[in-house]
Amino acid sequence: AQTVTQSQPEMSVQEAETVTLSCTYDTSESDYYLFWYKQPPSRQMILVIRQEAYKQQNATENRFSVNFQKAAKSFSLKISDSQLGDAAMYFCAYRTLNTGNQFYFGTGTSLTVIP
Amino acid sequence: EAGVAQSPRYKIIEKRQSVAFWCNPISGHATLYWYQQILGQGPKLLIQFQNNGVVDDSQLPKDRFSAERLKGVDSTLKIQPAKLEDSAVYLCASSQRLDSVGEQYFGPGTRLTVT
Repeated sequence: AQTVTQSQPEMSVQEAETVTLSCTYDTSESDYYLFWYKQPPSRQMILVIRQEAYKQQNATENRFSVNFQKAAKSFSLKISDSQLGDAAMYFCAYRTLNTGNQFYFGTGTSLTVIP
Repeated sequence: EAGVAQSPRYKIIEKRQSVAFWCNPISGHATLYWYQQILGQGPKLLIQFQNNGVVDDSQLPKDRFSAERLKGVDSTLKIQPAKLEDSAVYLCASSQRLDSVGEQYFGPGTRLTVT
């Protein structure tokens, strides 16, 4: 079974600085999708960024980028120029392409942005 | 585009009582997911529908939980009887198709407290 591990329960960053959130996963599949979701205190989960495993190029969305290391099964999220609105829980998620296409979530990293 | 709607937003019940949650996915989304998110943890998939058929319910405690998706649109999740450990946020999410690249879109969740 697929597992997703986020080893940093809490992280903090100074406003305007850069922070990297870690995620590792375990799978025997060669093709899958990876996601980072953000869950602010209001609890509505929203997508931050996604990566298709067959793509070697790291995904980028404005201030958010990933470092996808397929061989190491690592998928970290870098937030540049951190803003107060970035404060939230961040969840790493894996989506299998096998029957059912289930999503598996990590336990989350709580990010605090210090003014 | 309207988002995923859920109701109620909050519910407090006593153990052994029953409760039902409702979800209306984004129009046209064929796949619907119910997750349980216990405080401090990532979402755990309970059940996944493709149209009105169940794709995966392997983690649904079927002795007390049930879910249906009539006509392939709205869905209800029921707990009967509730236990203290059912206290959690219940998230509903939808995506366009089972095989779509796309991410899931989440609703605001229903926070259940069982006393």
